[in-house]
Amino acid sequence: EPEVTQTPSHQVTQMGQEVILRCVPISNHLYFYWYRQILGQKVEFLVSFYNNEISEKSEIFDDQFSVERPDGSNFTLKIRSTKLEDSAMYFCASSEAGLAGNLDEQYFGPGTRLTVT
Amino acid sequence: AQSVTQLDSQVPVFEEAPVELRCNYSSSVSVYLFWYVQYPNQGLQLLLKYLSGSTLVKGINGFEAEFNKSQTSFHLRKPSVHISDTAEYFCAVTRRDSSYKLIFGSGTRLLVRP
Repeated sequence: EPEVTQTPSHQVTQMGQEVILRCVPISNHLYFYWYRQILGQKVEFLVSFYNNEISEKSEIFDDQFSVERPDGSNFTLKIRSTKLEDSAMYFCASSEAGLAGNLDEQYFGPGTRLTVT
Repeated sequence: AQSVTQLDSQVPVFEEAPVELRCNYSSSVSVYLFWYVQYPNQGLQLLLKYLSGSTLVKGINGFEAEFNKSQTSFHLRKPSVHISDTAEYFCAVTRRDSSYKLIFGSGTRLLVRP
């Protein structure tokens, strides 16, 4: 069964450093998402991406964050200068369709645990 | 804005007993409703969803949920749980008129004991 994969499973970085979290969505999917879950808190939406551009982003997704689909398979989340409060589990998801009029299931990856020290 | 409340952070239950995990939501617009499950060290997996039609929705692994518009609830139920149902369960909503952005509750840990 196709699945979303994420690398690395755990990333430790120092405050102020740049990190790139990688995701490989399911191959025929067109919509991509990043969510995060700070320990003990809710899963929060960060950004959605379609047709090589951001379709929606949350207040959390400020100028320190960026997303990219550098090739036909990867979808990345970059944090330019990490802060302690960026420590969280980051989930990537993909779906075949994404608009409310053509709803489809989001498939989630296993997550990357980011620890900022 | 939408919000989701899962009042129970943990629900312990004995194997083969019935279980109900509660979910209430708040929204000024129509929403779609979902339950996701997360097993240890895995991603979120869709259990079931309510889009329209019958308010009783059946999902995978014997779970079902009932949409109650007047009570703004979408409680998850299973008549007889198994040890393997031990996991974190998340209720989520998305607006019907926007991109498919999920808003999650805080999760309920279901702990099934032998």
